[in-house]
Amino acid sequence: DAGITQSPRHKVTETGTPVTLRCHQTENHRYMYWYRQDPGHGLRLIHYSYGVKDTDKGEVSDGYSVSRSKTEDFLLTLESATSSQTSVYFCAIKGTGLNTEAFFGQGTRLTVV
Amino acid sequence: AQKITQTQPGMFVQEKEAVTLDCTYDTSDQSYGLFWYKQPSSGEMIFLIYQGSYDEQNATEGRYSLNFQKARKSANLVISASQLGDSAMYFCAMRSYGNNRLAFGKGNQVVVIP
Repeated sequence: DAGITQSPRHKVTETGTPVTLRCHQTENHRYMYWYRQDPGHGLRLIHYSYGVKDTDKGEVSDGYSVSRSKTEDFLLTLESATSSQTSVYFCAIKGTGLNTEAFFGQGTRLTVV
Repeated sequence: AQKITQTQPGMFVQEKEAVTLDCTYDTSDQSYGLFWYKQPSSGEMIFLIYQGSYDEQNATEGRYSLNFQKARKSANLVISASQLGDSAMYFCAMRSYGNNRLAFGKGNQVVVIP
């Protein structure tokens, strides 16, 4: 199994509080991605990183920020959580080659109440 | 911008029959890769098959094959001899050479019935 772990796996938080999700890899892969999965929407890209301190926005980046200070860690922060951010969040890692598959973490179920 | 379209409603397929899942994509890049993933009810994402835009042959991996029609920008997944364990959500994804994003479609739900 690819070395990728997400923490926490489950979290319940209150509206307006900050939340940070962590993605940690041991594969030294260049690319890291954060997605959210909601019924009827598939996987939507929030932010991604193509190197240390190199990040870019995805299609649903509003309300989210990311940081990557080390190759192995990619943090997703909800600055002020809202109920619309209740979702399952997946982190993925991918090697450099175009044909390399992406490996996914187990997902984090976040509930904002 | 990359766009992946999967529009089929939920599908029921008889065990041992084949099923085709549609995926169309939109990109202006000439070099790109297409991926299919499976997500069973347990939630994990499982890589199934890859097709490169310059690959001359359609990709195959066991019971999975990819019907790649570059001019039509379609990359349909074919599952042969369906098994009960194939019941899952299936996602099509694409990454272009000049773009760091890995974009996914909305998925196709498949239920295999005995």
